[in-house]
Amino acid sequence: GIQVEQSPPDLILQEGANSTLRCNFSDSVNNLQWFHQNPWGQLINLFYIPSGTKQNGRLSATTVATERYSLLYISSSQTTDSGVYFCAGAYNQGGKLIFGQGTELSVKP
Amino acid sequence: GAVVSQHPSRVICKSGTSVKIECRSLDFQATTMFWYRQFPKQSLMLMATSNEGSKATYEQGVEKDKFLINHASLTLSTLTVTSAHPEDSSFYICSATGTGDVNTDTQYFGPGTRLTVL
Repeated sequence: GIQVEQSPPDLILQEGANSTLRCNFSDSVNNLQWFHQNPWGQLINLFYIPSGTKQNGRLSATTVATERYSLLYISSSQTTDSGVYFCAGAYNQGGKLIFGQGTELSVKP
Repeated sequence: GAVVSQHPSRVICKSGTSVKIECRSLDFQATTMFWYRQFPKQSLMLMATSNEGSKATYEQGVEKDKFLINHASLTLSTLTVTSAHPEDSSFYICSATGTGDVNTDTQYFGPGTRLTVL
C-alpha cells in the first residue's frame, strides 16, 4: 500500500516567519489532501491537490505527482497556525486516505 | 458547506459497557463514510469504510465484532464500541465523501469523539 512520509516531524517558528512542509509518497496517488489539526482535534481541510499548485491566503501547496511529493508553504506565520499538519494520499479519488505522521508546528509570538 | 458533526464529543464509560458514536453529514449526502482512530501524538489510522446501505469494510487488525458500524442513511453512520476496555480509549474521528455542493473527491472530517474507558 501507499506509504506517506512527512518532514520535518516538528517545527518551531517565530511569528512572521515562512515555512515549507514536505510530504513524500511511495506510490502514485490520484488523491492528495493537506489538513491542519487544531489543538481541539478538528481536522480542517486545507487543500485537495493531486497535482499542480493552489493558493489560499497565506497558504499554498504544490504537488509534483511524477516525483511523488507535495509541499505546503506557510507564509507570515501566525500563532493560530500552530497545530499538526497532515498530508494524506489515496489511490482513488474519493478512496481511503493513508495519512503521514504529521508535522507539529509551533508558532511563537 | 460540507459540515460533518459527531456526537458525543466526549464520553467516559466503565469497562465492559458499550458506547455509540454518531457521525452526521449536515449539508450533503454522504455516500461513503470512514472511521479513524487516533492515539495521542500519533497519526490517524483508518478503521473501516462504510457505504450507505451495505456492510462496512474493515481494515486489517480491526475487530468487526468489537467495532460495529452502521451506515443506515445517506446522512448518518454510527460506530458502536462494544464491551469497551481501557485500551479502546482513543480519539475517534469520522469523515465523509459525498454528493451535492461538495468536492466529491475530498473527505470532510467531523470534530472527533474522545472516548475514555475507566
